[in-house]
Amino acid sequence: KAGVTQTPRYLIKTRGQQVTLSCSPISGHRSVSWYQQTPGQGLQFLFEYFSETQRNKGNFPGRFSGRQFSNSRSEMNVSTLELGDSALYLCASSGGTYETEAFFGQGTRLTVV
Amino acid sequence: TQLLEQSPQFLSIQEGENLTVYCNSSSVFSSLQWYRQEPGEGPVLLVTVVTGGEVKKLKRLTFQFGDARKDSSLHITAAQPGDTGLYLCAGEGTGRRALTFGSGTRLQVQP
Repeated sequence: KAGVTQTPRYLIKTRGQQVTLSCSPISGHRSVSWYQQTPGQGLQFLFEYFSETQRNKGNFPGRFSGRQFSNSRSEMNVSTLELGDSALYLCASSGGTYETEAFFGQGTRLTVV
Repeated sequence: TQLLEQSPQFLSIQEGENLTVYCNSSSVFSSLQWYRQEPGEGPVLLVTVVTGGEVKKLKRLTFQFGDARKDSSLHITAAQPGDTGLYLCAGEGTGRRALTFGSGTRLQVQP
């Protein structure tokens, strides 16, 4: 079974731009969650999508948004990028024995300059 | 807000030593998971504990869930360089599916 695939792996953007990150979950998994990881704040939950609906949301500003498609693939968008948005963005799919067990992709390293 | 505190934050030990990592909260969790993350990679699930007092073993790793389901520990026996990484605990809150992650324990095992 293929794992979680995130694209791109690395991204450099300029402040004020917007960015879209993509995540393909494990086949059969319907839940996709997004996390932001930084050295100072650790792993923070952004949002979770299940069957194309946002089911949970973390405490991030509205500049962070996401969506899920009918094939469970998900995208995350960040608009009006700020320097503080530089981070490793991780996508995780769930759907195993315990519904919250997360299987992570390798992440997208976003650098905002 | 449910918070998970991990200790210690950093740990550098010699190969063959034993160690314990702690994950504590004032909140009750439905389940608790442990992950290990290596540089440049996403976290990898090690174990899920669900029942208060539960103990699970994974080779040289022993995981325990507190009786009150508010804390957990990870004990590694005879650590090896391959155990090096960032260890994260994550709790599933009661009534909320989203995971809350601890701040992590960075372990380095010197050969």
